[in-house]
Amino acid sequence: DIQMTQSPSSLSASVGDRVTITCRASQSITYSLNYLNWYQQKPGKAPKLLISAASSLQSGVPSRFSGTGSGTDFTLTISSLQPEDFATYYCQQSYSTPWTFGQGTKVEIK
Amino acid sequence: EVQLVESGGGLVQPGRSLRLSCIASGFTFGDFAMSWFRQAPGKGLEWVGFIRSKPYDGTTQYAASVKGRFTISRDDSKSIAYLQMNSLKTEDTGVYYCSRGDFYGSGGYYFDYWGQGTLVTVSS
Repeated sequence: DIQMTQSPSSLSASVGDRVTITCRASQSITYSLNYLNWYQQKPGKAPKLLISAASSLQSGVPSRFSGTGSGTDFTLTISSLQPEDFATYYCQQSYSTPWTFGQGTKVEIK
Repeated sequence: EVQLVESGGGLVQPGRSLRLSCIASGFTFGDFAMSWFRQAPGKGLEWVGFIRSKPYDGTTQYAASVKGRFTISRDDSKSIAYLQMNSLKTEDTGVYYCSRGDFYGSGGYYFDYWGQGTLVTVSS
């Protein structure tokens, strides 16, 4: 199984801050594409897809969210944190089953 | 508008069975894979299994933790996906989500719509 490791596990930030979350896969998850998705989850709610294929922003997702990376190392960046962005973020690989998630990064208000 | 609505959760004793349903609307159900995920209380997300669309053979795959106990099926005429859970264990407790899987085009899926989840509690 491919292990996904996110860092940090949690962070405290202020509105307007630039936030970067890292996700590392235990093996390369890039073939013709980067098989890496990012989700946002708020308490008591379902996950919401933000980015697919490492960098493809989903329709309706604000442009302050961006994703980069290839191979084993990926990042999710929020360029200017907004109040509605306080949530837990998960990376997920779809390179091979079992599809696996990182443990999550909780973004809290400083 | 795409909507996924899960139902069928509840309290069940260890060793018993439960069937979850996921009713879809707002898209051509038969064109998409459907997947189930779960989240234990206070924990992260875990993939349970998925079923491909009929054009891709309608085959299923499962996580090792549920293989042989859980079965995913679909009724494209009713736009419903099912998760049949047998021999339930206390560690199966959590919120179960169904999700629509869209195909990258060269293998692999992303999950762009999710239901609100249904809580399954396995306890004596």
